[in-house]
Amino acid sequence: EAQVTQNPRYLITVTGKKLTVTCSQNMNHEYMSWYRQDPGLGLRQIYYSMNVEVTDKGDVPEGYKVSRKEKRNFPLILESPSPNQTSLYFCASSFLGQSNEKLFFGSGTQLSVL
Amino acid sequence: AQTVTQSQPEMSVQEAETVTLSCTYDTSESNYYLFWYKQPPSRQMILVIRQEAYKQQNATENRFSVNFQKAAKSFSLKISDSQLGDTAMYFCAHESDSNYQLIWGAGTKLIIKP
Repeated sequence: EAQVTQNPRYLITVTGKKLTVTCSQNMNHEYMSWYRQDPGLGLRQIYYSMNVEVTDKGDVPEGYKVSRKEKRNFPLILESPSPNQTSLYFCASSFLGQSNEKLFFGSGTQLSVL
Repeated sequence: AQTVTQSQPEMSVQEAETVTLSCTYDTSESNYYLFWYKQPPSRQMILVIRQEAYKQQNATENRFSVNFQKAAKSFSLKISDSQLGDTAMYFCAHESDSNYQLIWGAGTKLIIKP
């Protein structure tokens, strides 16, 4: 089954404790992206990647890191989480050149930073 | 900067009624794509309908249709014969034809009452 797998679904952590949210897709997509969703703000892009070893900042990259060492994986790293990073996070992927009509989303990660 | 505005934070209608969700956007481009996504309580992001800006005809998907007014930069979603399963957050999104990135509205929470 074609899917984007995101883990964990829920995560509670404390300020300053490094964490990684994993994202993996099995569709050989070139494009992968991370979003955060906050009430009243919709989804905002954190980082995206057009292919292996190619990553770019989105609208809200501060406090986050990503890597794209393999085509299927695109982990989101919070080196020193802070309470303002409490949010719902989504990973998404698609083939390039198909517009976002074929954008596949993961099931989301609800992160709480205490 | 490109923006997407959804002016209705929350709406509620009776089952079987028709409801229209509004969306306006700002762009200087002549060609682009517009989307409506549905997010039920499960948090899953589901593509409802897609519109290409160069197409005059309004997109339709079963009970869902759009009213695309390019000159007014308006992209409203009409849900006919609303069902309890339509209860969800609805997000409007704009994709630039040049940089592939999605800009999202803040969302409208739609409640269908029995």
